[in-house]
Amino acid sequence: KAGVTQTPRYLIKTRGQQVTLSCSPISGHRSVSWYQQTPGQGLQFLFEYFSETQRNKGNFPGRFSGRQFSNSRSEMNVSTLELGDSALYLCASSLVGTGRSEQYFGPGTRLTVT
Amino acid sequence: QKEVEQNSGPLSVPEGAIASLNCTYSDRGSQSFFWYRQYSGKSPELIMSIYSNGDKEDGRFTAQLNKASQYVSLLIRDSQPSDSATYLCAVTNFGNEKLTFGTGTRLTIIP
Repeated sequence: KAGVTQTPRYLIKTRGQQVTLSCSPISGHRSVSWYQQTPGQGLQFLFEYFSETQRNKGNFPGRFSGRQFSNSRSEMNVSTLELGDSALYLCASSLVGTGRSEQYFGPGTRLTVT
Repeated sequence: QKEVEQNSGPLSVPEGAIASLNCTYSDRGSQSFFWYRQYSGKSPELIMSIYSNGDKEDGRFTAQLNKASQYVSLLIRDSQPSDSATYLCAVTNFGNEKLTFGTGTRLTIIP
């Protein structure tokens, strides 16, 4: 079974631009969560989608948004990029979406904002 | 106080020895506990999950959970150089997919 895939793997953007990242979960997984990983803050939860609905959101500004499609694929968008948005963005999927199910991570998208 | 705390290390263990990694959490409502391994430049890889008090063994790995003490640990037996990585402890509440991570413990296995 194929794992979680994320595209693109690397991205370089300029301050003020916006970016869209994509995530395809493991087949059959309906819950998709997004995380940001930086050296200073570690791994931080952005938001979680289940059945096309955002169920939970972390403490990030409104510039960070996401959505999920009917096939469980998910996208996240960051508008008006800031230098501090440079990070590894990770997507994770889980089977059931109850908090008791295991989350599997994709390879991540490395975003650099200049 | 951080929600999930780990000793950042680095923790150095001789090859073949037992590596012991510890994690404490502050939210008594935490229900699910996970250990992830992350190699440098890679994404986290799930290696263990534990939901009930006690021990759970999987190959060379044993996870231990003590909810009364709000403590979870990971033991790696017969440590191999390939076990050298950062180990992340993560917790969630029941019905909530939000993983709260510790800062990770960097483990180095010395040949």
